[in-house]
Order: sequence, then C-alpha cells, then structure tokens
Amino acid sequence: DTAVSQTPKYLVTQMGNDKSIKCEQNLGHDTMYWYKQDSKKFLKIMFSYNNKELIINETVPNRFSPKSPDKAHLNLHINSLELGDSAVYFCASSQRGGANYGYTFGSGTRLTVV
Amino acid sequence: GENVEQHPSTLSVQEGDSAVIKCTYSDSASNYFPWYKQELGKRPQLIIDIRSNVGEKKDQRIAVTLNKTAKHFSLHITETQPEDSAVYFCAAPVKGTALIFGKGTTLSVSS
Repeated sequence: DTAVSQTPKYLVTQMGNDKSIKCEQNLGHDTMYWYKQDSKKFLKIMFSYNNKELIINETVPNRFSPKSPDKAHLNLHINSLELGDSAVYFCASSQRGGANYGYTFGSGTRLTVV
Repeated sequence: GENVEQHPSTLSVQEGDSAVIKCTYSDSASNYFPWYKQELGKRPQLIIDIRSNVGEKKDQRIAVTLNKTAKHFSLHITETQPEDSAVYFCAAPVKGTALIFGKGTTLSVSS
C-alpha cells in the first residue's frame, strides 16, 4: 500500500489555466506539507498544515492555495498558471503535528506549463 | 530568515572511498536533523536522522555527527558503492513548523 500518494504524476498545461494536485496519506499522520522542487533540485517549503493550523511560506504567490477536506488529504490548487510554476511538487506527511519527525514523501507531480 | 547551508554541491569519489557532506543551520532551537537521499526521478527518502541529545549515530555504512554548539551536522558514508550515487539533502526544522532543506549534494561514485 502506498503511504503517501499523489495524483497526477505528470501534468502538462497551458499558461493561464487552473489545475489541482491531490495528495492522500494512509499513515495516520497529523501534518502534511507541500514542497516545490525546481530544476536545480532545491526543495522549497510551500505550506505546512495540520488539523489546527495552516502555515504559509510568505514567498508563495497567492495563486497557490492548499485545501484539506480531512486529515488524510491535502490538495494543492493553482490558479492562472505561469511558466515559472513548472517544477516537481512533492507532498509529504509527518506524525505528531510537527517537523521534528521524519517525513514520508509522495512520488511527486511533474508540472509543465507551456 | 532561517536557513540550512550544505556543502559541497557536488562530490565525486571512487568506489570504496568515504564521502562526507556538511551542513550548518541557523535556528538554535532546531533539535532534529534528518538526511534524505533522492535518486534520479524518485522521491526523497529518509536515510538517517539524529536528535540533539546525541552527538553521533550510525547505521551500517552511514553515520551522522552533530555539533550543536557550532550548529554543524555531517553525513559520513564509508565504503561507497555505485548505488550510493544520488542527491543527498540535509534538513532542519524551523520554528517547529516544517523542515528547511539544504540545496543538496550530488554524489557520484565511480567504479
């Protein structure tokens, strides 16, 4: 069973479109995250979210919005896609509501904006 | 802001040699230091971690050392093998909310 699953694995779309990436974890973890990995492999935190608090990295454009219907799901919605949004997006989860425990990452979604 | 610096950015070794990757962090409240390995086209995977109450931890050929006073921690890989070739990331929590990752080290092990 996949612990953290993301869909879709690949996403090619045109500039200006709106798209969503879905993430689900079956580990019973309290906290979920979205990271962006650019072409230089740099992993940058976008959001962390548990059932009490959403923390947004202030450098993330407000075109990006996380949506969590329940503790096991954290989706990422992106409005008005731009060329610079092309990257691999990783979802991750950790236990006990904090970053002081190891993450389990999803397999990533490669987003290409053309 | 808080950050994690990682060196070197690339490292090439011969099979059987040792490899060392170093990181420094800025948040003095950080108390958990994981290392992740990312193979080409794959997800990052946790390979070893250390908490601030210990100075060293080993798991077979890999070890991590921590110097809290200097805010340094390092990954040591002994007897490197071609399958160790990957990108390695260090990380540290910032304000307990999320892990901040170093910029990665591309390790190449040639046989």
